[in-house]
Amino acid sequence: AQTVTQSQPEMSVQEAETVTLSCTYDTSESDYYLFWYKQPPSRQMILVIRQEAYKQQNATENRFSVNFQKAAKSFSLKISDSQLGDAAMYFCAYRSDNTNAGKSTFGDGTTLTVKP
Amino acid sequence: EAGVAQSPRYKIIEKRQSVAFWCNPISGHATLYWYQQILGQGPKLLIQFQNNGVVDDSQLPKDRFSAERLKGVDSTLKIQPAKLEDSAVYLCASSVRGTIYNEQFFGPGTRLTVL
Repeated sequence: AQTVTQSQPEMSVQEAETVTLSCTYDTSESDYYLFWYKQPPSRQMILVIRQEAYKQQNATENRFSVNFQKAAKSFSLKISDSQLGDAAMYFCAYRSDNTNAGKSTFGDGTTLTVKP
Repeated sequence: EAGVAQSPRYKIIEKRQSVAFWCNPISGHATLYWYQQILGQGPKLLIQFQNNGVVDDSQLPKDRFSAERLKGVDSTLKIQPAKLEDSAVYLCASSVRGTIYNEQFFGPGTRLTVL
């Protein structure tokens, strides 16, 4: 079974600084997608960024970018120019076509605090 | 475009009681998911529907949990009887289809406390 591990339960960053959240996963499959989700306190979980495993180029969405290391099974999220609104729980998730393509396996999350 | 709606937002019950949660997905989304998120953990898929058929319910505790999606739109998740360990946030999500790349849109969740 696929597993997703987020080793940093909590992280903090100063406003306008850069922070990197770590994620590792375990799989024997070659084709899969990886996702980062943001869950603000008492608000909906939203998709931040996704990466297709067959793509070597790292995904980027404005201030959010990933460092995808397929061989190392690592998928970190970098947030540049951190803003107060970035404070939230961040979840890394994995999805593959092996059995149920829609099923996401989530890590246990990293709580990000942004200090003014 | 309206998002995924869930109700109630909060529910407190005593163990052995029954409870039901309701979800209205985004219009036109064929796939609906129910996730259980225990405090301090990531969401875990309980059941996935494609229209009104079940795609995956491998992690649904079927002795106490049930779910249905009549007419392929709204869905209800029921717990009967509830246990202390069922205390969690129950998230509903929907997507256009249940493919590997389709974005899943989440509702605000229902926070269940079992005393």
